[in-house]
Amino acid sequence: SAVISQKPSRDICQRGTSLTIQCQVDSQVTMMFWYRQQPGQSLTLIATANQGSEATYESGFVIDKFPISRPNLTFSTLTVSNMSPEDSSIYLCSVVMGRVNTEAFFGQGTRLTVV
Amino acid sequence: GDSVTQMEGPVTLSEEAFLTINCTYTATGYPSLFWYVQYPGEGLQLLLKATKADDKGSNKGFEATYRKETTSFHLEKGSVQVSDSAVYFCALRGGSYIPTFGRGTSLIVHP
Repeated sequence: SAVISQKPSRDICQRGTSLTIQCQVDSQVTMMFWYRQQPGQSLTLIATANQGSEATYESGFVIDKFPISRPNLTFSTLTVSNMSPEDSSIYLCSVVMGRVNTEAFFGQGTRLTVV
Repeated sequence: GDSVTQMEGPVTLSEEAFLTINCTYTATGYPSLFWYVQYPGEGLQLLLKATKADDKGSNKGFEATYRKETTSFHLEKGSVQVSDSAVYFCALRGGSYIPTFGRGTSLIVHP
């Protein structure tokens, strides 16, 4: 299993600024993901955070807007850059272990409001 | 690619009512299937899972059976409680290893 600490838990930010969200895992994991959860609750995968290399972004998400770092197997950050009110959402960090029959683990989420 | 379809919410029930949340999937091969629950202000947590056809996952009174012939994994509970109010996500992990989630179904249970 894995325990994930994600912070901040919430923030209110001015438009045009940036926010960095941190995700710390209590064990080494291969696969780490960042999701966005819009009001209405569906999860959208932003990117896969790759250790030691550039993240793999899903369609509609770009590195300039959502730069991701993953310096080691237990830590990652997601930055939401040049924020607008449309970026108001919940951002979730998630990890999975290697085997396909194991579940995903989630951080408690970061609730971001852009004003 | 893989996909998960679950019924739209919200589902509104009275306490002690029977719950069914439908979930169907599309995937190649033999994926593992999961139900996650998200309580207000929290991240998702695993509710139950099944890793092969005809397996039944169960936890906290909830059950779901992996039906390969109908590609379904419906969530059921015989008697819901107010504390079950949450958002429920059906998901799968197949050959790509990246989980695929349904859109979530909100459950509201009234006393």
